[in-house]
Amino acid sequence: NAGVMQNPRHLVRRRGQEARLRCSPMKGHSHVYWYRQLPEEGLKFMVYLQKENIIDESGMPKERFSAEFPKEGPSILRIQQVVRGDSAAYFCASSPRTGGYGNTIYFGEGSWLTVV
Amino acid sequence: AQSVTQLGSHVSVSEGALVLLRCNYSSSVPPYLFWYVQYPNQGLQLLLKYTTGATLVKGINGFEAEFKKSETSFHLTKPSAHMSDAAEYFCAVSADSGNTPLVFGKGTRLSVIA
Repeated sequence: NAGVMQNPRHLVRRRGQEARLRCSPMKGHSHVYWYRQLPEEGLKFMVYLQKENIIDESGMPKERFSAEFPKEGPSILRIQQVVRGDSAAYFCASSPRTGGYGNTIYFGEGSWLTVV
Repeated sequence: AQSVTQLGSHVSVSEGALVLLRCNYSSSVPPYLFWYVQYPNQGLQLLLKYTTGATLVKGINGFEAEFKKSETSFHLTKPSAHMSDAAEYFCAVSADSGNTPLVFGKGTRLSVIA
Protein backbone atom coordinates (compact mmCIF):
# COMPACT_ATOMS: atom_id res chain seq x y z
CA ASN A 1 0.00 0.00 0.00
CA ALA A 2 1.79 3.06 -1.27
CA GLY A 3 2.01 6.06 1.01
CA VAL A 4 1.42 9.66 0.11
CA MET A 5 3.38 10.34 -3.06
CA GLN A 6 4.77 13.74 -3.87
CA ASN A 7 6.61 14.87 -6.95
CA PRO A 8 8.91 16.30 -7.82
CA ARG A 9 11.02 15.77 -4.73
CA HIS A 10 13.26 18.65 -5.70
CA LEU A 11 12.43 21.54 -7.97
CA VAL A 12 14.52 24.52 -8.97
CA ARG A 13 12.86 27.55 -10.49
CA ARG A 14 14.07 30.98 -11.50
CA ARG A 15 12.32 34.00 -10.09
CA GLY A 16 9.15 34.70 -12.01
CA GLN A 17 8.57 31.14 -13.15
CA GLU A 18 5.76 28.85 -12.09
CA ALA A 19 6.09 25.89 -9.76
CA ARG A 20 3.67 22.96 -9.73
CA LEU A 21 3.81 20.43 -6.95
CA ARG A 22 1.82 17.22 -7.13
CA CYS A 23 0.43 15.00 -4.42
CA SER A 24 -1.24 11.63 -4.74
CA PRO A 25 -2.91 10.69 -1.45
CA MET A 26 -2.86 7.24 0.03
CA LYS A 27 -5.30 4.81 -1.51
CA GLY A 28 -8.74 5.34 -0.08
CA HIS A 29 -7.96 8.82 1.23
CA SER A 30 -10.11 11.66 0.01
CA HIS A 31 -8.76 14.46 2.22
CA VAL A 32 -5.57 16.30 1.33
CA TYR A 33 -3.61 18.93 3.25
CA TRP A 34 -0.69 21.08 2.18
CA TYR A 35 1.87 22.41 4.64
CA ARG A 36 4.93 24.58 4.10
CA GLN A 37 8.11 24.28 6.10
CA LEU A 38 10.47 27.21 6.04
CA PRO A 39 14.03 26.90 7.33
CA GLU A 40 14.20 26.85 11.13
CA GLU A 41 10.42 26.94 11.40
CA GLY A 42 7.72 24.40 11.95
CA LEU A 43 5.10 23.36 9.49
CA LYS A 44 2.56 25.96 8.57
CA PHE A 45 -0.85 24.88 7.37
CA MET A 46 -1.72 26.15 3.92
CA VAL A 47 -4.84 24.48 2.60
CA TYR A 48 -7.21 21.58 3.17
CA LEU A 49 -9.04 20.02 0.23
CA GLN A 50 -11.46 17.26 -0.50
CA LYS A 51 -12.20 16.04 -3.98
CA GLU A 52 -13.22 19.07 -6.05
CA ASN A 53 -13.62 21.23 -2.95
CA ILE A 54 -11.45 23.60 -0.99
CA ILE A 55 -12.47 23.23 2.63
CA ASP A 56 -10.05 25.58 4.35
CA GLU A 57 -7.52 27.84 2.65
CA SER A 58 -6.88 30.12 5.58
CA GLY A 59 -3.14 29.49 5.41
CA MET A 60 -2.69 30.23 1.73
CA PRO A 61 -0.98 33.47 0.73
CA LYS A 62 -3.50 35.77 -0.92
CA GLU A 63 -1.66 36.02 -4.18
CA ARG A 64 0.22 33.67 -6.52
CA PHE A 65 -0.72 30.47 -4.65
CA SER A 66 -3.53 28.13 -5.60
CA ALA A 67 -4.45 24.52 -4.95
CA GLU A 68 -6.81 22.01 -6.44
CA PHE A 69 -7.81 18.41 -5.93
CA PRO A 70 -9.74 17.30 -9.02
CA LYS A 71 -12.10 14.39 -9.24
CA GLU A 72 -9.44 12.45 -11.09
CA GLY A 73 -5.72 12.78 -10.58
CA PRO A 74 -3.44 14.23 -7.96
CA SER A 75 -3.78 17.34 -5.90
CA ILE A 76 -1.71 20.21 -7.25
CA LEU A 77 -0.22 23.17 -5.43
CA ARG A 78 0.60 25.90 -7.90
CA ILE A 79 2.84 28.86 -7.23
CA GLN A 80 2.95 31.54 -9.90
CA GLN A 81 5.75 34.04 -10.38
CA VAL A 82 7.91 32.49 -7.70
CA VAL A 83 10.12 34.64 -5.51
CA ARG A 84 13.10 33.66 -3.36
CA GLY A 85 10.92 33.67 -0.26
CA ASP A 86 8.92 30.77 -1.69
CA SER A 87 11.94 28.50 -1.26
CA ALA A 88 10.79 25.90 1.24
CA ALA A 89 9.76 22.31 1.70
CA TYR A 90 6.14 21.69 0.81
CA PHE A 91 4.50 18.72 2.44
CA CYS A 92 1.31 17.04 1.46
CA ALA A 93 -0.68 14.89 3.84
CA SER A 94 -3.82 12.83 3.48
CA SER A 95 -6.42 11.17 5.65
CA PRO A 96 -9.37 8.89 4.99
CA ARG A 97 -11.72 11.13 6.91
CA THR A 98 -11.68 14.63 8.15
CA GLY A 99 -8.51 15.63 9.93
CA GLY A 100 -10.32 16.58 13.08
CA TYR A 101 -11.52 14.28 15.82
CA GLY A 102 -7.96 13.13 16.35
CA ASN A 103 -7.75 11.28 13.07
CA THR A 104 -4.20 10.71 11.94
CA ILE A 105 -2.99 12.35 8.79
CA TYR A 106 -0.16 10.76 6.83
CA PHE A 107 2.60 12.81 5.29
CA GLY A 108 4.46 12.50 2.05
CA GLU A 109 8.20 12.96 1.82
CA GLY A 110 7.92 16.53 0.68
CA SER A 111 8.85 18.63 -2.32
CA TRP A 112 11.80 20.96 -1.89
CA LEU A 113 11.44 24.12 -3.93
CA THR A 114 14.48 26.30 -4.53
CA VAL A 115 14.05 29.64 -6.23
CA VAL A 116 17.21 31.07 -7.77
CA ALA B 1 -7.81 28.59 18.20
CA GLN B 2 -4.99 26.21 18.96
CA SER B 3 -1.28 26.81 19.36
CA VAL B 4 1.77 24.80 20.35
CA THR B 5 4.98 25.85 22.06
CA GLN B 6 7.99 23.59 22.02
CA LEU B 7 10.53 24.67 24.59
CA GLY B 8 14.04 24.37 23.22
CA SER B 9 14.74 24.37 19.52
CA HIS B 10 17.72 22.06 20.07
CA VAL B 11 18.23 19.38 22.69
CA SER B 12 21.40 17.35 23.02
CA VAL B 13 21.68 14.17 25.07
CA SER B 14 24.22 11.43 25.51
CA GLU B 15 23.53 7.97 24.17
CA GLY B 16 21.68 6.02 26.86
CA ALA B 17 20.45 9.13 28.65
CA LEU B 18 16.86 10.18 29.18
CA VAL B 19 15.21 12.10 26.38
CA LEU B 20 12.73 14.81 27.36
CA LEU B 21 11.19 17.06 24.72
CA ARG B 22 8.74 19.63 25.99
CA CYS B 23 5.43 20.62 24.45
CA ASN B 24 2.80 22.97 25.79
CA TYR B 25 -0.41 23.65 23.99
CA SER B 26 -3.20 26.15 24.02
CA SER B 27 -6.67 25.12 23.04
CA SER B 28 -10.13 26.47 23.77
CA VAL B 29 -11.63 23.01 23.32
CA PRO B 30 -10.46 19.53 24.32
CA PRO B 31 -7.34 18.89 22.29
CA TYR B 32 -6.03 15.98 20.37
CA LEU B 33 -2.25 15.88 20.61
CA PHE B 34 0.39 14.37 18.38
CA TRP B 35 4.12 13.90 18.16
CA TYR B 36 5.74 13.49 14.77
CA VAL B 37 9.38 12.77 13.92
CA GLN B 38 11.19 14.00 10.83
CA TYR B 39 14.49 12.57 9.64
CA PRO B 40 16.63 14.67 7.30
CA ASN B 41 15.07 15.28 3.90
CA GLN B 42 12.09 13.11 4.72
CA GLY B 43 8.46 13.58 5.58
CA LEU B 44 6.89 13.37 9.01
CA GLN B 45 6.18 10.08 10.69
CA LEU B 46 3.66 9.75 13.49
CA LEU B 47 5.26 8.73 16.78
CA LEU B 48 2.17 8.74 18.97
CA LYS B 49 -1.08 10.54 19.60
CA TYR B 50 -3.49 11.28 22.41
CA THR B 51 -7.20 11.39 21.71
CA THR B 52 -9.15 10.24 24.74
CA GLY B 53 -8.72 7.75 27.57
CA ALA B 54 -5.38 6.93 29.15
CA THR B 55 -3.25 10.01 29.52
CA LEU B 56 0.04 8.13 29.17
CA VAL B 57 0.45 7.24 25.54
CA LYS B 58 3.05 4.83 24.20
CA GLY B 59 4.38 5.18 20.70
CA ILE B 60 6.89 3.68 18.36
CA ASN B 61 10.63 3.39 18.99
CA GLY B 62 10.20 3.38 22.77
CA PHE B 63 8.78 6.89 23.03
CA GLU B 64 5.89 7.86 25.25
CA ALA B 65 4.10 11.05 26.19
CA GLU B 66 1.79 12.08 28.98
CA PHE B 67 -1.16 14.40 28.58
CA LYS B 68 -1.44 16.70 31.60
CA LYS B 69 -4.48 18.87 31.31
CA SER B 70 -3.69 20.94 34.40
CA GLU B 71 -0.31 21.85 32.94
CA THR B 72 -1.50 22.00 29.31
CA SER B 73 1.49 19.84 28.46
CA PHE B 74 2.27 16.81 26.34
CA HIS B 75 5.97 16.16 26.88
CA LEU B 76 7.72 13.40 24.96
CA THR B 77 10.10 11.06 26.75
CA LYS B 78 12.28 8.05 26.11
CA PRO B 79 14.23 6.38 28.92
CA SER B 80 17.38 5.71 26.94
CA ALA B 81 18.47 7.61 23.85
CA HIS B 82 19.84 5.83 20.82
CA MET B 83 21.92 7.33 18.05
CA SER B 84 19.12 6.62 15.61
CA ASP B 85 16.81 8.93 17.59
CA ALA B 86 18.62 11.99 16.24
CA ALA B 87 15.97 13.86 14.26
CA GLU B 88 13.53 16.76 14.38
CA TYR B 89 10.49 16.27 16.58
CA PHE B 90 7.23 18.15 16.15
CA CYS B 91 4.35 18.43 18.57
CA ALA B 92 0.95 19.18 17.06
CA VAL B 93 -2.59 19.83 18.24
CA SER B 94 -6.00 19.60 16.67
CA ALA B 95 -9.39 20.35 18.08
CA ASP B 96 -12.44 18.22 18.52
CA SER B 97 -14.13 19.41 15.39
CA GLY B 98 -14.49 18.19 11.88
CA ASN B 99 -12.35 20.41 9.77
CA THR B 100 -9.64 21.71 12.04
CA PRO B 101 -6.17 21.35 10.57
CA LEU B 102 -3.23 20.22 12.64
CA VAL B 103 -1.28 23.09 14.20
CA PHE B 104 2.42 22.37 14.66
CA GLY B 105 5.07 23.66 17.00
CA LYS B 106 8.35 24.90 15.57
CA GLY B 107 10.09 21.65 16.29
CA THR B 108 12.94 20.45 18.49
CA ARG B 109 16.09 19.07 16.97
CA LEU B 110 17.42 16.18 19.01
CA SER B 111 21.12 15.37 18.85
CA VAL B 112 22.49 12.21 20.43
CA ILE B 113 26.13 12.18 21.45
CA ALA B 114 28.07 8.94 21.54
